[in-house]
Amino acid sequence: AQKVTQAQTEISVVEKEDVTLDCVYETRDTTYYLFWYKQPPSGELVFLIRRNSFDEQNEISGRYSWNFQKSTSSFNFTITASQVVDSAVYFCALGDSGGYQKVTFGTGTKLQVIP
Amino acid sequence: DTGVSQNPRHKITKRGQNVTFRCDPISEHNRLYWYRQTLGQGPEFLTYFQNEAQLEKSRLLSDRFSAERPKGSFSTLEIQRTEQGDSAMYLCATQGRQETQYFGPGTRLLVL
Repeated sequence: AQKVTQAQTEISVVEKEDVTLDCVYETRDTTYYLFWYKQPPSGELVFLIRRNSFDEQNEISGRYSWNFQKSTSSFNFTITASQVVDSAVYFCALGDSGGYQKVTFGTGTKLQVIP
Repeated sequence: DTGVSQNPRHKITKRGQNVTFRCDPISEHNRLYWYRQTLGQGPEFLTYFQNEAQLEKSRLLSDRFSAERPKGSFSTLEIQRTEQGDSAMYLCATQGRQETQYFGPGTRLLVL
């Protein structure tokens, strides 16, 4: 069975601080996908990144960076120089590679950036 | 804006009433999913369509729930005889050739 654990329920940081959101996953599949989504107060889930299990290269996109480590089954997300607009709930998710993509979400980490 | 739209955005109903939600996908996406999200939780899968065929249903989808996707375009999710436990956000997601699901804004249901 697939499982995603986001142990941090809520995090508060002061604006401009760096923050890392942790994600640990479990799967028996050899091919799978990992995702991060952002859910602002408006409710819409915004896609941030997808990584497949064969690509362990870290990725940077502006202030966002992701660290994928298969050895520890982790896919952590770092926001550098946080801003108030980063305040949201962030979900890590695990998807399989079938025609029907079963995606399992974590319980989310609520990030509050204080001005 | 992902290009996936859902209507209505909010629905308040009395217990026992029927409700119907609509999802309009990104036009070239042939795969469509419905999820339910309750407070403090991540989305949970309900059902999946490939074109007009409903290929997968979760155990969460009781007999009171039915979903359709006529002609493989928009989809509807109907809940009959609503219960207070049905109160949640109902999310639609669509997927094209890439292995990424794009979500709509959701319909927030409150059953009184």
